[in-house]
Amino acid sequence: GAGVSQSPSNKVTEKGKDVELRCDPISGHTALYWYRQSLGQGLEFLIYFQGNSAPDKSGLPSDRFSAERTGGSVSTLTIQRTQQEDSAVYLCASSLVGGGNVIEAFFGQGTRLTVV
Amino acid sequence: AQSVTQLDSHVSVSEGTPVLLRCNYSSSYSPSLFWYVQHPNKGLQLLLKYTSAATLVKGINGFEAEFKKSETSFHLTKPSAHMSDAAEYFCVVSERMNYGGSQGNLIFGKGTKLSVKP
Repeated sequence: GAGVSQSPSNKVTEKGKDVELRCDPISGHTALYWYRQSLGQGLEFLIYFQGNSAPDKSGLPSDRFSAERTGGSVSTLTIQRTQQEDSAVYLCASSLVGGGNVIEAFFGQGTRLTVV
Repeated sequence: AQSVTQLDSHVSVSEGTPVLLRCNYSSSYSPSLFWYVQHPNKGLQLLLKYTSAATLVKGINGFEAEFKKSETSFHLTKPSAHMSDAAEYFCVVSERMNYGGSQGNLIFGKGTKLSVKP
């Protein structure tokens, strides 16, 4: 597809269950990012993948959160034992890098996670 | 390490008057800078970008921004506000890779909510 694709668009889960959120980046983009946005709040950085480098996991809020990126393309964000405070919109972005600089970065439409 | 400060959390203007949304950044070397807009219950849309070419950057919907290295600023402007410009705007910096910090990461400001009065 032409843009960053995220699935599902909406997810309602029971407290304590595990969830997986998927992100398909733009073809050719080497960097991929996960953020979350709680109601009325700004963006909170979660994790960043760049090429074959070790991911920057410094934003993951707890060890219940993990992410992987397979084959340098699709990424999955996993939240184990979900809590109500995990309810948020989870946003994925991918970027094109040239000459050491990020040239463009585009966001998906997000996954709205509701933990009940 | 790089950082972004959006100086106003909320800006209110009248329709037809100029818009100025202020952004200051901290970066070690030569960053990329972006402005994104988010309309209510919508995703993030790229408005414009600076990637070390022309310092005055034109974006969509009549917005533009000027990269001023001496002032470490990247303010967003529009000559005449429209009702449809009401949204939240985010300034973003990305450090050039191989110069330390979170290389290539996208660092967001806290956002500025723009209100447009009729």
